Amino acid sequence: DAGVTQSPTHLIKTRGQHVTLRCSPISGHKSVSWYQQVLGQGPQFIFQYYEKEERGRGNFPDRFSARQFPNYSSELNVNALLLGDSALYLCASSEAGTGITGANVLTFGAGSRLTVL
Amino acid sequence: SQQGEEDPQALSIQEGENATMNCSYKTSINNLQWYRQNSGRGLVHLILIRSNEREKHSGRLRVTLDTSKKSSSLLITASRAADTASYFCATAFTGGGNKLTFGTGTQLKVEL
Repeated sequence: DAGVTQSPTHLIKTRGQHVTLRCSPISGHKSVSWYQQVLGQGPQFIFQYYEKEERGRGNFPDRFSARQFPNYSSELNVNALLLGDSALYLCASSEAGTGITGANVLTFGAGSRLTVL
Repeated sequence: SQQGEEDPQALSIQEGENATMNCSYKTSINNLQWYRQNSGRGLVHLILIRSNEREKHSGRLRVTLDTSKKSSSLLITASRAADTASYFCATAFTGGGNKLTFGTGTQLKVEL
């Protein structure tokens, strides 16, 4: 079975541009989460979607938005890019929106590395 | 912002030795998870420990959780060069859905 797939793997943008990152979850997984990982730090939560509805949002500006499609794939959009948006963007999927004892185990994709010049 | 800190930030050991990494967090949790990341790529889940558990084992991994001290430790026994990676703890909260709050990570290097 295919794991979580993300595209593109690498991309370079300039300040002020817009970027769209895509994620396909593991088959049967209905929850997708997005994380931003700046070099040298741990991942930071951006969004969670479950059954096409937003279930959580991290402390990110409105320039960041996301959506989930009927096939459970997801897009992360970032507008008006800043240099500080340069990071590895990770998508993770899980079967359910939450676990019985808190967050489920997440399966991560390999990430999309965004460089903003 | 990060939920907590991991200690040490970097650890270098010889193959066959044990590696211990510590994680501290700030608020009450439902569960704590450990993940591994190779060379800035995707994270791989290692082990989950619930807030009512104190210790858990998985192969060469042993995780402990002390909720009174808000801390956890990950022990890798008989380390191998292939264990070289960054290790992150991540905490989950009541009502947080699948949101995980990650620590700052420990970079482990296992030398031959």
